[in-house]
Amino acid sequence: AQSVTQPDIHITVSEGASLELRCNYSYGATPYLFWYVQSPGQGLQLLLKYFSGDTLVQGIKGFEAEFKRSQSSFNLRKPSVHWSDAAEYFCAVGAGGTSYGKLTFGQGTILTVHP
Amino acid sequence: GAVVSQHPSWVICKSGTSVKIECRSLDFQATTMFWYRQFPKQSLMLMATSNEGSKATYEQGVEKDKFLINHASLTLSTLTVTSAHPEDSSFYICSARDRDLGTFGSGTRLTVV
Repeated sequence: AQSVTQPDIHITVSEGASLELRCNYSYGATPYLFWYVQSPGQGLQLLLKYFSGDTLVQGIKGFEAEFKRSQSSFNLRKPSVHWSDAAEYFCAVGAGGTSYGKLTFGQGTILTVHP
Repeated sequence: GAVVSQHPSWVICKSGTSVKIECRSLDFQATTMFWYRQFPKQSLMLMATSNEGSKATYEQGVEKDKFLINHASLTLSTLTVTSAHPEDSSFYICSARDRDLGTFGSGTRLTVV
């Protein structure tokens, strides 16, 4: 069974600073990997996803993530954080085969942005 | 990209009543949809897999008699929370497998009073 670990429950950065949110996954084959953002009381917005190919994935809102198979990681990065990026971020892994489409989510990382 | 629509976006119901949540694929056919639940300040957990024309598959610990899933057409799956209680208050959200994997509906916030 697949699993996802987001080691940081809460991260605080200053506006304009760079950001990296960590995500480690466990899955036997090549995973499908996702990053979502959720504002309080809102639904999920897909930032980016990795299925195959280039291991550096560009997403919306200036986010990118890099798939590193050797480290079982899919960390999310942004070079310069904006106050509007404050939200909760979820990493998720999807399986293939008969479980295709099922996502397993990490615990989430709450991002606070200081002015 | 694919669009998944969910309705209602929020609902308040009395304890003991039933609530139906709809998940629709707007521009594609979805043979399989997934229902997730998110309790306050927690992550999302898969509840069940909804299969068009057949019975849903429930994850361990999810009561199938309490959370009724119907997937009668290729564009609509419904989740009915029967005899709802305050502990069922949660955020329910669906996704579809067939296109744009990873696209979710907007979610339904259920509050049982």
